[in-house]
Amino acid sequence: QVQLQESGPGLVKPSETLSLTCTVSGGSISSSYWSWIRQPPGKGLEWIGYLYYSGSITFNPSLKSRVTISVDTSKNQFSLRLSSVTAADTAVYYCARHNYDVLTGRWIDPWGQGTLVTVSS
Amino acid sequence: QSVLTQAPSASGAPGQRVTISCSGSSSNIGTNTVNWYQHLPGAAPQLLIYNDNQRPSGVPDRFAGSKSGTSASLAISGLQSEDEADYYCAAWDDSLNGWVFGGGTKLTVL
Repeated sequence: QVQLQESGPGLVKPSETLSLTCTVSGGSISSSYWSWIRQPPGKGLEWIGYLYYSGSITFNPSLKSRVTISVDTSKNQFSLRLSSVTAADTAVYYCARHNYDVLTGRWIDPWGQGTLVTVSS
Repeated sequence: QSVLTQAPSASGAPGQRVTISCSGSSSNIGTNTVNWYQHLPGAAPQLLIYNDNQRPSGVPDRFAGSKSGTSASLAISGLQSEDEADYYCAAWDDSLNGWVFGGGTKLTVL
């Protein structure tokens, strides 16, 4: 059973770069698409971007200029970097597997537990 | 402002049936399949429904999904106290080339 776990600093200063890593266990990262999703306090979910293990990456246009997503297949990990953060980037950040099947469409499962990142000086 | 529209709250008594709706557009729900998630505080969102109306193994048949045009619904029958959670709809959006979500519906079991 595939499990995901986010890790990284819980506090980031304004204008600095948020960095998170997602470790995939119970399965290979080299078989699926992988997404980053966030949820600001009291608000809904927002898709940040996804990557395929080969390095193909797609971003949410609203964040594209500030987002970097990378993969380390040797460690079964993928990472998120979000630059020039502000208080508006305070959120619970989730990593998740993005599945696709020609018959049943797309779905996100499983998700990590999520990690709260607060942007504050 | 979420791309998919959900009512912020819903409620029902134990044993009753509740329906949660999700409204989108032709670029997301109208073209692609809908997923539903149950989200408890501090936990990972759990997949309840995929492909509009399919339940992953382990999800009780009290949960049922449906879709018509650019709207989708999640019905929960035989409400139980443990169903109290936030419920989110999600779909792929062809215009965005990414995922869009509803704002979530907080379900209260009275």
